[in-house]
Amino acid sequence: EDKVVQSPLSLVVHEGDTVTLNCSYEVTNFRSLLWYKQEKKAPTFLFMLTSSGIEKKSGRLSSILDKKELFSILNITATQTGDSAVYLCARNSGGSNYKLTFGKGTLLTVNP
Amino acid sequence: GAGVSQSPRYKVAKRGQDVALRCDPISGHVSLFWYQQALGQGPEFLTYFQNEAQLDKSGLPSDRFFAERPEGSVSTLKIQRTQQEDSAVYLCASSLGVQPQHFGDGTRLSIL
Repeated sequence: EDKVVQSPLSLVVHEGDTVTLNCSYEVTNFRSLLWYKQEKKAPTFLFMLTSSGIEKKSGRLSSILDKKELFSILNITATQTGDSAVYLCARNSGGSNYKLTFGKGTLLTVNP
Repeated sequence: GAGVSQSPRYKVAKRGQDVALRCDPISGHVSLFWYQQALGQGPEFLTYFQNEAQLDKSGLPSDRFFAERPEGSVSTLKIQRTQQEDSAVYLCASSLGVQPQHFGDGTRLSIL
């Protein structure tokens, strides 16, 4: 079964802290790994990773993929209360089907 | 609009009733996906369309679930003879091939 496992499941930090969210996956076929942020509504796209060792950055967020060890991390530096959300990791297994397999998500709470 | 649009936002139905959920994808996106998200879980794949062709329906939980996209644009997910375990948020996403999927705000379905 193609599982995606995220850890921790929940995390509470103070504003200004740095957090690292983890995502591991089991796969025989692999196309890409994606990170989404979900607040009350739609998951919003953050990053898509296809190659090992290449960091992607957007402001205070960054992410990297290790295809040998089958994991990815999402880093958030100088956290703000607006970063509070569920962060979802998803794998696209490739082939002609582009469906995503999601982990359960990490609930991040940033307190002022 | 520029994003994926879903309607209704909320739907309450009595057990045994039929419901229909609508998704209007981003213009020009050939791929359309339906996911089911239970409380505290990540989205789970239901079905995938490429244009009007339903290429994968392996995630539909039973034959009470039916999806269509007759003209390759708007899609409808229909659930017949609803049961309490059908209560969830139903998310629609669209994309262009290998590009990231963009999600709608979802329909929250509650079966009484």
